[in-house]
Amino acid sequence: DAGVIQSPRHEVTEMGQEVTLRCKPISGHDYLFWYRQTMMRGLELLIYFNNNVPIDDSGMPEDRFSAKMPNASFSTLKIQPSEPRDSAVYFCASSRGFGGAPSQPQHFGDGTRLSIL
Amino acid sequence: AQKVTQAQTEISVVEKEDVTLDCVYETRDTTYYLFWYKQPPSGELVFLIRRNSFDEQNEISGRYSWNFQKSTSSFNFTITASQVVDSAVYFCALSEAGTSGSRLTFGEGTQLTVNP
Repeated sequence: DAGVIQSPRHEVTEMGQEVTLRCKPISGHDYLFWYRQTMMRGLELLIYFNNNVPIDDSGMPEDRFSAKMPNASFSTLKIQPSEPRDSAVYFCASSRGFGGAPSQPQHFGDGTRLSIL
Repeated sequence: AQKVTQAQTEISVVEKEDVTLDCVYETRDTTYYLFWYKQPPSGELVFLIRRNSFDEQNEISGRYSWNFQKSTSSFNFTITASQVVDSAVYFCALSEAGTSGSRLTFGEGTQLTVNP
C-alpha cells in the first residue's frame, strides 16, 4: 500500500506569496494530521481532521494558516500571506480510528520543506 | 497537560556499542499511548513502536528493545549492537486516550550518531 503522499517535497517562495501544501492520506485512514517541525519548537500539531471534519485547530499559529479536507483522499494546508518565520518542514500524517479516537499509529509523509525568502 | 522529555539531546557511540535513549513522560490520564519514531537524515518520520498504558511488558524487535515502566513514567529505547544506519533523530511521543487522544505530543528528540 502507498504511504502518505505529500507535495511538493520542497517549496521556495518569496514573502507575501500564497503557499499551498498537499497531502493524500493512506487509503482507509479516517484521521489526518498536519504537523510543523522547526528547530526552535520541534514537532507541533497544527490541526487534525476526522472523517474530513476539522476537530482541533488550536495549533494553527494564526489566521494566515488554513486547512481543508474536501474528501477522504485529499487535504491542503494553505499559508496566505507567507512570512519568513513560516519556514519549516510540514508533515502530514494519517491513522485509522476506532471508537471515536485513533487506534492505530500515525503514519507520516515525507514532509514538505518550505522556505520563505 | 501532557509532556514528553528526552533529556539526551545528542548521543555519539561507536558501532557495535549498545545505546539507550531515555524518555520520561507526564500525563494525568490513566489510559494513554507511547510511541517512538525515527527520523533519519533524509527527513521522513518512521514509526517504530506503540505501547498502551496497560501493557508494561517489554518488547524486543531485532536489535531494538523498549522498556516501559509506569512507576517512573519512563519509556526507554535500547539499540543493541548499534550500526551506522541507526544514526538518526529519535522521537518519543505521547497520546492520551479520549477525544483529545489524537494529539501526539513529541519530545525534543535525541540525535544519535553511530560512528564506524
